[in-house]
Amino acid sequence: DAGVIQSPRHEVTEMGQEVTLRCKPISGHDYLFWYRQTMMRGLELLIYFNNNVPIDDSGMPEDRFSAKMPNASFSTLKIQPSEPRDSAVYFCASSPNRGASRGYGYTFGSGTRLTVV
Amino acid sequence: ELKVEQNPLFLSMQEGKNYTIYCNYSTTSDRLYWYRQDPGKSLESLFVLLSNGAVKQEGRLMASLDTKARLSTLHITAAVHDLSATYFCAVEGGTGNQFYFGTGTSLTVIP
Repeated sequence: DAGVIQSPRHEVTEMGQEVTLRCKPISGHDYLFWYRQTMMRGLELLIYFNNNVPIDDSGMPEDRFSAKMPNASFSTLKIQPSEPRDSAVYFCASSPNRGASRGYGYTFGSGTRLTVV
Repeated sequence: ELKVEQNPLFLSMQEGKNYTIYCNYSTTSDRLYWYRQDPGKSLESLFVLLSNGAVKQEGRLMASLDTKARLSTLHITAAVHDLSATYFCAVEGGTGNQFYFGTGTSLTVIP
């Protein structure tokens, strides 16, 4: 398996523009997580899905952020409009179902480094 | 919400020395994970600890878990430069598959 695949690796955009980050989880993994990492706040869980259904989006900072998972192999995180304070590294991670996950942990993607100027 | 605290946040140590990173968490859990992150890279799984008293070792790193004290340690033996990275502990909790990550410990090993 190629692991968790994220795109793009780097994104530079102007304030006010829409940004879409993409993630392909490992095949067969039922859980998908979106994290944001900054120096100031560390790793923050934004939202996670189970079987394509959003379970907890309490970490989404505000209405400018939205996430979807239209099928088991694809998820997007969208920021509209983007602001400089959204600059961070965004990680996607996946894991098997809870019963099978004991001892498995998460597999993280390579991340998307977002810079909003 | 489950809180996870790591200390120290920053650690600079000389090659050949020993040191321990601590991970405390606020509520009952018997599943704890350690990850390593190199600068500009993703998080890589190091250890999975699934029960009280669990101990895992890989090379110069050894992790342990005391669920009664809600404490995990990552012990570094005879540090080498290649171990320079940020180390995160994560505790599995809640009703979902959520992990709660510590703040990370940035380790720099000086020749």
